[in-house]
Amino acid sequence: DAKTTQPTSMDCAEGRAANLPCNHSTISGNEYVYWYRQIHSQGPQYIIHGLKNNETNEMASLIITEDRKSSTLILPHATLRDTAVYYCIVSLGGYSTLTFGKGTMLLVSP
Amino acid sequence: EAGVTQSPTHLIKTRGQQATLRCSPISGHTSVYWYQQALGLGLQFLLWYDEGEERNRGNFPPRFSGRQFPNYSSELNVNALELEDSALYLCASSPGGGKADTQYFGPGTRLTVL
Repeated sequence: DAKTTQPTSMDCAEGRAANLPCNHSTISGNEYVYWYRQIHSQGPQYIIHGLKNNETNEMASLIITEDRKSSTLILPHATLRDTAVYYCIVSLGGYSTLTFGKGTMLLVSP
Repeated sequence: EAGVTQSPTHLIKTRGQQATLRCSPISGHTSVYWYQQALGLGLQFLLWYDEGEERNRGNFPPRFSGRQFPNYSSELNVNALELEDSALYLCASSPGGGKADTQYFGPGTRLTVL
């Protein structure tokens, strides 16, 4: 699986959009971009994933650049409960395991 | 729909003992994955089972083993426990079948080795 690069930490004001970047310059054509988050000492929570096109669900939006070398996870209206470590993972999906890096610690403040 | 469940929530053992952790996947899921998250470290892949077979294992010694039962639940066994085995052990499940499957995680079992 390709490696990803994420900022160590980010801050966001409650109610504002949180934009979390991820670089995956060595991604191959059949690899997906997955986003998970982990609130302290809990199991990781799946957020969203995509291959080429931008994706949106009830939790977030995923914007993937045209060359697929980077992506951005957008939480449109961050709340205090969104404070967590966010992991960007590149994976073949299917019969592949997930390789977790260090992620981005997002702190949402009042 | 019930999520992935794990038991026990907490487990305390002494060095040299054996630990058994259990996982029940989401109904209809055939793949089960095990991960270890030691304090201050990231999630490390341990084992993957699908349709009762071990499909892949991470860089862990053989004293970490497991199995998957016909109902797709799984158990992780850790023999000859060492202090550094203290960690949060996470189980995830996915539908299986080789598609781009999303893994859904359980709440984890906190293993403490004294």
